[in-house]
Amino acid sequence: DIQMTQSPPSLSASVGDRVVITCQASGDIRDSLNWFQQKPGEAPRLLIYDTSKLYSGVSSRLGGGGSGKHFSLIIDNLQPEDAATYFCLQYDSLPYSFGQGTRLE
Amino acid sequence: QVQFVQSGAEVKKPGASVKVSCKTFGFSFSTKKAIHWLRQAPGQSLEWLGWINTGNGNTRLSEKFRDRVNISRDTSAHSVYMELSSLTSEDTGIFYCAKGGTPLWGLWGQGTLVTVSS
Repeated sequence: DIQMTQSPPSLSASVGDRVVITCQASGDIRDSLNWFQQKPGEAPRLLIYDTSKLYSGVSSRLGGGGSGKHFSLIIDNLQPEDAATYFCLQYDSLPYSFGQGTRLE
Repeated sequence: QVQFVQSGAEVKKPGASVKVSCKTFGFSFSTKKAIHWLRQAPGQSLEWLGWINTGNGNTRLSEKFRDRVNISRDTSAHSVYMELSSLTSEDTGIFYCAKGGTPLWGLWGQGTLVTVSS
């Protein structure tokens, strides 16, 4: 099974900052990685799919990159509405697996 | 507009089973479309339980849950179901259905809280 190691577990930043969240896979997952945002009491929301493709309606301040085992989510010009928990997901091989999440404050 | 609406919260005793429904709106069942089920324990990340091919009813389940989970569909009701048996307190959490395909899990149900308590 592929294990996803996400870092940092939590992050405190200010409005206007640039933040980077990373995920490392225990095996090669090619570009089969998605990023999700989740706010308290809500279902996860897809942000980035196939490593770098912005999902419909998602702000262009967000971006994704990487390949193989190392991936990153970048949020530019941080806004108050970005406060949430972020998860990466690998879907290259079953069972699909998530990172443990990054809480952004 | 495609929408997934899940059934309401459940409270179950240890050893019991729970069946959660995911009713679809604006979504056509076909062999090219799948719906997945996931679980999120309190304060934790997510786990994938399995998927169902909405056209033929074939399922693919996580090995971790294979012995306890059943995913089914009712095409006339435009609904998909997830049943989890032999519940323990560790099964307490929010269960989600989500749309398969590309991109994966771009659409989610609102979630169903299942509480297992004696």
